[in-house]
Amino acid sequence: NAGVTQTPKFQVLKTGQSMTLQCAQDMNHNSMYWYRQDPGMGLRLIYYSASEGTTDKGEVPNGYNVSRLNKREFSLRLESAAPSQTSVYFCASSRWDSVGYTFGSGTRLTVV
Amino acid sequence: KQEVTQIPAALSVPEGENLVLNCSFTDSAIYNLQWFRQDPGKGLTSLLLIQSSQREQTSGRLNASLDKSSGRSTLYIAASQPGDSATYLCAEDKAAGNKLTFGGGTRVLVKP
Repeated sequence: NAGVTQTPKFQVLKTGQSMTLQCAQDMNHNSMYWYRQDPGMGLRLIYYSASEGTTDKGEVPNGYNVSRLNKREFSLRLESAAPSQTSVYFCASSRWDSVGYTFGSGTRLTVV
Repeated sequence: KQEVTQIPAALSVPEGENLVLNCSFTDSAIYNLQWFRQDPGKGLTSLLLIQSSQREQTSGRLNASLDKSSGRSTLYIAASQPGDSATYLCAEDKAAGNKLTFGGGTRVLVKP
């Protein structure tokens, strides 16, 4: 099925460890995004990529880095995980004009 | 700073009743307004997108209106069913880049 695929679905990290969340879309969308969802805080944009080769910061970029590997793939890296990064992370993609905004199923990350 | 507010945070209705979900935004210079549905433990599914030049969009039992002058959007779900139970989120897209600003969501329970 066409859509946005995220891996892994669950992850537990120790403080200070690093990891990369992977995201791939097969809808030929130009734009891709990483959001985090926290109780009481809603969904907040971490980073986005308007097109292949470009990335830009969102509302809460501190502690994260991203790579737009190609048109299909957009990864999110935590270099040194902190308990404040415990959250559910969603990758999304869309056409250039926001049509077809599609979310992955999420990665539930716990940092202990 | 742009803000998107959804009140109430939770809503419970008997099956068959019409649902009215509210979304308020502070900046009338929006690009579009989108409504999403989120089931527990899942990603978001796009329901309706209203362009800034439009006043409403309809899909089946769903109808969403947009009033930029008052900074409001309303999602109507006719003849609610237990399967409509979910969290509904609205999101504002202010400018190019398709970076959505989400409301906190309204959790809906439709009782059989």
